Amino acid sequence: KAGVTQTPRYLIKTRGQQVTLSCSPISGHRSVSWYQQTPGQGLQFLFEYFSETQRNKGNFPGRFSGRQFSNSRSEMNVSTLELGDSALYLCASSLGHDTGELFFGEGSRLTVL
Amino acid sequence: GENVEQHPSTLSVQEGDSAVIKCTYSDSASNYFPWYKQELGKGPQLIIDIRSNVGEKKDQRIAVTLNKTAKHFSLHITETQPEDSAVYFCAASGERGRRALTFGSGTRLQVQP
Repeated sequence: KAGVTQTPRYLIKTRGQQVTLSCSPISGHRSVSWYQQTPGQGLQFLFEYFSETQRNKGNFPGRFSGRQFSNSRSEMNVSTLELGDSALYLCASSLGHDTGELFFGEGSRLTVL
Repeated sequence: GENVEQHPSTLSVQEGDSAVIKCTYSDSASNYFPWYKQELGKGPQLIIDIRSNVGEKKDQRIAVTLNKTAKHFSLHITETQPEDSAVYFCAASGERGRRALTFGSGTRLQVQP
């Protein structure tokens, strides 16, 4: 059974640009959550999508957004990139909104120059 | 919101010794406490979790204890092996659900052969 797949794995952007990251959950999983990991702030919850609806949102500015498609695949978008957005963005999938463990992907490492 | 503190930040033990990592949380409404292991270049992987109605849970060499009154929980690894070397994160979730985890800052465990 394939794990959580995130693309791209690495990317470099400049300030002011925008970026879209993609996440394919484990087959059969309907919930996708996104986390940001930085050395300074650690792992921080961004948002969770279940059945194409955002169910939870962390304390991030509106520049961070996401969506989920009918096949449970999810994308997150960061607009007007800032240097502080450099981080490892982790996607995690689970069977349901509040059931089953979280399975994390290997992440997309974003560098903002 | 929830705040999770984790100690120590680094831990070095000899192979075969035990390792203990401690976390405290602030939100008395938190009811789910997972522990994750993150190896270099990989996403976090759930190793054990505990719910607020249980005081202790064990899985082979790994155990977790929870003291709701004191709002702290601990991870115990016995008979450590070199492959246990990794970064370990505790986490807690409350009323926002089990997908919106608040993570501790992590403990880098080094098991010396």
